[in-house]
Amino acid sequence: DTAVSQTPKYLVTQMGNDKSIKCEQNLGHDTMYWYKQDSKKFLKIMFSYNNKELIINETVPNRFSPKSPDKAHLNLHINSLELGDSAVYFCASSPEHNGGYTFGSGTRLTVV
Amino acid sequence: GESVGLHLPTLSVQEGDNSIINCAYSNSASDYFIWYKQESGKGPQFIIDIRSNMDKRQGQRVTVLLNKTVKHLSLQIAATQPGDSAVYFCAENRSGGSNYKLTFGKGTLLTVNP
Repeated sequence: DTAVSQTPKYLVTQMGNDKSIKCEQNLGHDTMYWYKQDSKKFLKIMFSYNNKELIINETVPNRFSPKSPDKAHLNLHINSLELGDSAVYFCASSPEHNGGYTFGSGTRLTVV
Repeated sequence: GESVGLHLPTLSVQEGDNSIINCAYSNSASDYFIWYKQESGKGPQFIIDIRSNMDKRQGQRVTVLLNKTVKHLSLQIAATQPGDSAVYFCAENRSGGSNYKLTFGKGTLLTVNP
């Protein structure tokens, strides 16, 4: 069983569209994250949720809205997609008091 | 190839040699450090971690060294194999509070030549 699974793996869409990426973890972790990896492989945190509550929002545009229906799921909805949103988005999870993150395999978003 | 345009630090070694990947971290309050390996098309994978009360930790074929004085972290891979080819990231964190936020370094591309 995949520990952290995200769908879809690839997403190609036009500018201005709205899209969602889903993430689920079966590790029983309390904390989930979204990271963005740019074309230079730089990984930057976007959001962190602990038991369905938003903990970290790293000055991400309002067009990005995370939603956590329960502590095993953290979805990412993006409105009005822009070219600069093209990147690989990684979901991750960790036990609350342990910094070791488990990452999903990523969603490659291409905005055309 | 994948490295074109990435401008990542790169390290190229021969199979069987030892590899050393270096990382400088920025936050003197960081007390927990992790090395991750990212293969092409995959997410980062945990390799080894170290807390600030230690200066060395060993795993299977890997050793992490921490020098808090100069805020430097290194990953040593013994007898490097082609399967070790990947981008390696160091990450730092500061404990305390109810949550962690890992801050990643820029990454180093390791290429192992057979």
